[in-house]
Amino acid sequence: EVQLVESGGGLVQPGGSLRLSCAASGFTFSSYEMNWVRQAPGKGLEWVSYISSSGSTIYYADSVKGRFTISRDNAKNSLYLQMNSLRAEDTAVYYCARELKWELPPDYWGQGTLVTVSS
Amino acid sequence: EIVLTQSPGTLSLSPGERATLSCRASQSVSSSYLAWYQQKPGQAPRLLIYGASSRATGIPDRFSGSGSGTDFTLTISRLEPEDFAVYYCQQYGSSPPKTFGQGTKVEIK
Repeated sequence: EVQLVESGGGLVQPGGSLRLSCAASGFTFSSYEMNWVRQAPGKGLEWVSYISSSGSTIYYADSVKGRFTISRDNAKNSLYLQMNSLRAEDTAVYYCARELKWELPPDYWGQGTLVTVSS
Repeated sequence: EIVLTQSPGTLSLSPGERATLSCRASQSVSSSYLAWYQQKPGQAPRLLIYGASSRATGIPDRFSGSGSGTDFTLTISRLEPEDFAVYYCQQYGSSPPKTFGQGTKVEIK
């Protein structure tokens, strides 16, 4: 069974940092490209970042560029999102989502982890 | 950046009725790289349609997608009780960002 389990969310003060993790199982993680997508409370979906299967290609949304860093460890079947200089507007549920290739959309999503940025 | 605009914002229908949801892009979506997702409260999005018209694995055939270029449609032929949810379109496969529409809520009338 395919599983994506996010962790690392929580309450953080503005300007603080947080590292999210996504543990993958039930499929060949190293063959899949991965994304982070977020959803602010009561709002729609916002794509955050993408990393290719090897980690050689990375993209970010303009709203997080320079503050967030995506990475992966294929040996550990894990995806990460390092979030620095957090702002109130980064408050959201963060989902990791897999896709087989760039020309296909994410086909499986984790259940998400909530990040709250507040003083 | 491609902006996706979904309409209507809310669709009020009864079980058994037909639902037609629209997604319009600010510029042409290359190779019909357009997907539709369903999201229920407290749950992750579920992929319904990719490539504008191909159903994802396990998706019932009452869900269908159509369109090309800048205009896309998701049709639910006969609404089942479990279909009342929020639906999002997403464009992918071209230069990032992979934008989403703002969503259409299908609610019980």
